Amino acid sequence: GAGVSQSPSNKVTEKGKDVELRCDPISGHTALYWYRQSLGQGLEFLIYFQGNSAPDKSGLPSDRFSAERTGGSVSTLTIQRTQQEDSAVYLCASSLKVKRYNEQFFGPGTRLTVL
Amino acid sequence: TQLLEQSPQFLSIQEGENLTVYCNSSSVFSSLQWYRQEPGEGPVLLVTVVTGGEVKKLKRLTFQFGDARKDSSLHITAAQPGDTGLYLCAGARTNDYKLSFGAGTTVTVRA
Repeated sequence: GAGVSQSPSNKVTEKGKDVELRCDPISGHTALYWYRQSLGQGLEFLIYFQGNSAPDKSGLPSDRFSAERTGGSVSTLTIQRTQQEDSAVYLCASSLKVKRYNEQFFGPGTRLTVL
Repeated sequence: TQLLEQSPQFLSIQEGENLTVYCNSSSVFSSLQWYRQEPGEGPVLLVTVVTGGEVKKLKRLTFQFGDARKDSSLHITAAQPGDTGLYLCAGARTNDYKLSFGAGTTVTVRA
């Protein structure tokens, strides 16, 4: 497809379990971003990739969160030992490159519910 | 603390009325973007403004960037139910790859 895709669209898990969220960016986009959106809130930046490297991981809430990107394309966000406060919509975005106006294109998100 | 403050948080109006959403900050941005997000979907970019004082029109939507590039507004004329959604402003600072988002304004247009 032409847009950013994310899977799964919904994930329900039990507290303490690990989850993996996947993002397929727009083909040719070198920059990839992960955000978290809690109910009624704006977007909280988590991590950014330029190619396969992540220059800034400071937005990750704790060391239970990690992300990787392979082949300059697909990215996976992993949350270990999930907690109820991890429940949120996780959004992925991509942009053509790091450019002045940094326009980002978003996927539909993964809604994570931790019971 | 949000870098960008949006107001109001919620707005409910009748079809045909006008509305304005504000996005304010004490920081200077090299560009500011407006997104609209519908339930179950990701935000969709509406416009990017880059020059202080710039005004951009997109059909019934008018976007303005403040002269000092610290604030912006979105004005919708003759709102329609299809304008319903969460409107988010996001600012980019020079040489910074991150976008800083406001908390959003939920707009409901009643038929």
